[in-house]
Amino acid sequence: DTEVTQTPKHLVMGMTNKKSLKCEQHMGHRAMYWYKQKAKKPPELMFVYSYEKLSINESVPSRFSPECPNSSLLNLHLHALQPEDSALYLCASSQDLAEAGEKLFFGSGTQLSVL
Amino acid sequence: ILNVEQSPQSLHVQEGDSTNFTCSFPSSNFYALHWYRWETAKSPEALFVMTLNGDEKKKGRISATLNTKEGYSYLYIKGSQPEDSATYLCAFIKAGNQFYFGTGTSLTVIP
Repeated sequence: DTEVTQTPKHLVMGMTNKKSLKCEQHMGHRAMYWYKQKAKKPPELMFVYSYEKLSINESVPSRFSPECPNSSLLNLHLHALQPEDSALYLCASSQDLAEAGEKLFFGSGTQLSVL
Repeated sequence: ILNVEQSPQSLHVQEGDSTNFTCSFPSSNFYALHWYRWETAKSPEALFVMTLNGDEKKKGRISATLNTKEGYSYLYIKGSQPEDSATYLCAFIKAGNQFYFGTGTSLTVIP
């Protein structure tokens, strides 16, 4: 199994809603990542978890809250989002940290619209 | 802000043509350079991970070179096929596992 599975594929939410994005991999990878991509822009790194601990937070607003319950799962909890947070949210994993030469395996993303 | 630039932004080639694109990145604090292919409605897929100056990697008709001293990488596709149509992303990795993606080159191969 070389897949990274993200759910849901599409999400529409209001600014007062609370929702969660989920990401799962069963490749035994120890690093997991959240990226945000707006149209015609490069994917931007949000968070990195290494061995289930948050290792990088790229100054992401607190309305985005990551959680890594175990080595296979990565969640992104959303609360009080703004319309400008509408984007494609990509999850990725790697065997180890990418600076060790490991490639990323990506999910197909969650397309989020905030109304 | 760290700039990773890719050129051209988009490219249309005829089936059978060979083509190449460029990824430019800072030459300091280099750890690795990745190339990914991203087909519409699919996940980005890793093509190459390059870590050493002078690296050359090849996968079928696709190859890549790396020059870390001057901060660029080239991706070459020989004999383009319609199934090569995709966006090609490079990512520069610096110390601290920090990834910086370029905006990508969108390739369309016309049958």
